[in-house]
Amino acid sequence: LAKTTQPISMDSYEGQEVNITCSHNNIATNDYITWYQQFPSQGPRFIIQGYKTKVTNEVASLFIPADRKSSTLSLPRVSLSDTAVYYCLVGEEGYSTLTFGKGTMLLVSP
Amino acid sequence: GAVVSQHPSWVICKSGTSVKIECRSLDFQATTMFWYRQFPKQSLMLMATSNEGSKATYEQGVEKDKFLINHASLTLSTLTVTSAHPEDSSFYICSARGPGRRTVGTDTQYFGPGTRLTVL
Repeated sequence: LAKTTQPISMDSYEGQEVNITCSHNNIATNDYITWYQQFPSQGPRFIIQGYKTKVTNEVASLFIPADRKSSTLSLPRVSLSDTAVYYCLVGEEGYSTLTFGKGTMLLVSP
Repeated sequence: GAVVSQHPSWVICKSGTSVKIECRSLDFQATTMFWYRQFPKQSLMLMATSNEGSKATYEQGVEKDKFLINHASLTLSTLTVTSAHPEDSSFYICSARGPGRRTVGTDTQYFGPGTRLTVL
């Protein structure tokens, strides 16, 4: 399983765009990159998943360079309710388990 | 869609008693469910993988006789913490993955809301 490295914490203000980068130097050919969000005392919530280039949904964008050794989760115009821990995970297509790293604690201030 | 529920949401028990936590996939069938444990200010740690109709696969260091897992149907998995002790106090989270929920390329795991266990 590819190991991931993320910043421990990030600070932002309401209305700003936040980019959280995750390093996964040992990502395998069949691995996909998935981001989850977790609020205190709640289960993680799926945000976005991608394999290469760019993926966008209604809440976020995921940018993956050609070498796939890193990925960036982009949250446009964050609000106070985006304060949470964000986890980057790398997993193989199929029935592999997920290994959660320490995640990034994002604090959004007024 | 893809809702996973857990029951109870919190439980307090005395040391030495057993506690059962249920995990249900409400609107899809889950061939595989996972159980995680999360201590305060720490990340989720996978305890075991539960496959419907077969024995669970436990991660290294997790006592299978203490944490009994049963996945009797495609929508229900249970975790029983036997002879609970204060050090078992934690936040237990399940997730479910089933066929037909493919997003980009993998079967996304959908997580339950968690169960807070406090052992006195």
